[in-house]
Amino acid sequence: GENVEQHPSTLSVQEGDSAVIKCTYSDSASNYFPWYKQELGKGSQLIIDIRSNVGEKKDQRIAVTLNKTAKHFSLHITETQPEDSAVYFCAASNSGGYQKVTFGIGTKLQVIP
Amino acid sequence: DAGVTQSPTHLIKTRGQQVTLRCSPKSGHDTVSWYQQALGQGPQFIFQYYEEEERQRGNFPDRFSGHQFPNYSSELNVNALLLGDSALYLCASSLYMTSGVGELFFGEGSRLTVL
Repeated sequence: GENVEQHPSTLSVQEGDSAVIKCTYSDSASNYFPWYKQELGKGSQLIIDIRSNVGEKKDQRIAVTLNKTAKHFSLHITETQPEDSAVYFCAASNSGGYQKVTFGIGTKLQVIP
Repeated sequence: DAGVTQSPTHLIKTRGQQVTLRCSPKSGHDTVSWYQQALGQGPQFIFQYYEEEERQRGNFPDRFSGHQFPNYSSELNVNALLLGDSALYLCASSLYMTSGVGELFFGEGSRLTVL
């Protein structure tokens, strides 16, 4: 089955700096890669996703890159703000039919004001 | 529009007991997946229900079972509880799609503590 590795497990950055979280996956059949933000007292929310036919996707301060050959993908957050502090999970999934989403271990991001 | 709702939010059980967790999917969604998230870990896939049948299952023993009702809501049952079953149990709903992807919407989870 699919295995997703994520690092770092914790990350502290100064407000305004950039944060990068990296993930690798094992199953070449995976073709959908979502990123979720988990905050205390809230359900995990999708913040950005990328499909295997795209190398990069950007949404305001958040961007994701995908290298299919190397089977790795990364989340980039620029101009970090205190409200970006949360646990971020990368995931890999098939698409179509019964989706099985495999998650990484999570990265606890702390943005220091 | 109500999102995914789960109950109870917290519960405490003792070893050997049984527990039932409940989930109501987001309006319009027909697929429910359950995940177990141990402290400091990522969510681990337990199983997925669509059209009232289990469609996929992760690497969990038969002590973990589920059900989906005609209104798409779902239950997760765990029998013969072990200390290691202590975790946050997450329900995620989505819309089944024959092609493309259906975004997962998560509930806040049910925190189970086994003593």
